[in-house]
Amino acid sequence: GNSVTQMEGPVTLSEEAFLTINCTYTATGYPSLFWYVQYPGEGLQLLLKATKADDKGSNKGFEATYRKETTSFHLEKGSVQVSDSAVYFCALRRETTDSWGKLQFGAGTQVVVTP
Amino acid sequence: DVKVTQSSRYLVKRTGEKVFLECVQDMDHENMFWYRQDPGLGLRLIYFSYDVKMKEKGDIPEGYSVSREKKERFSLILESASTNQTSMYLCASISSGTDATFFGQGTRLTVV
Repeated sequence: GNSVTQMEGPVTLSEEAFLTINCTYTATGYPSLFWYVQYPGEGLQLLLKATKADDKGSNKGFEATYRKETTSFHLEKGSVQVSDSAVYFCALRRETTDSWGKLQFGAGTQVVVTP
Repeated sequence: DVKVTQSSRYLVKRTGEKVFLECVQDMDHENMFWYRQDPGLGLRLIYFSYDVKMKEKGDIPEGYSVSREKKERFSLILESASTNQTSMYLCASISSGTDATFFGQGTRLTVV
């Protein structure tokens, strides 16, 4: 079946450091891939997406590239801010014939950025 | 501004009680979902619905049921709450053919 594996956290960084969160997946076919972010006390928000191999999703300085050969979708940001402190979830969309939008999530990675 | 609204942020219920978690979306989305979020496990799908009065089991439906009488409203029901159902519950919706799933702010349920 489908699965998503993320690196465990928490990841603690200083402001302006480089952030990488690893994500690998197992799926049949070519799923769409997503990163969602959850700020403290809030629901999840879509951060970025990629729908086919070699696509690069980007938003708010974050980037991730859909790598079919390594079944990976690692999240990166070149210079983090305190406001990036959140939990980040990697997810894939499970396509079915009768419904749309079922997501399979990784365990989530907490990121803490200190001043 | 699009919205998925869950009726409660925090709930405390007793073991054996019947619990209703309500979710309303104002975006005319066909597809709605209930997930539960637990540390180290991420989000797991409990039930989903792709149309009014339609419902499908997700990965962990045991102990739960759902109701979708109107397109905008999707309710999660714990028939007889147990302590292992203490968790954060997240409602979500998406329009078919699009990529962005919208989430509610979550309901933190404690069963004592």
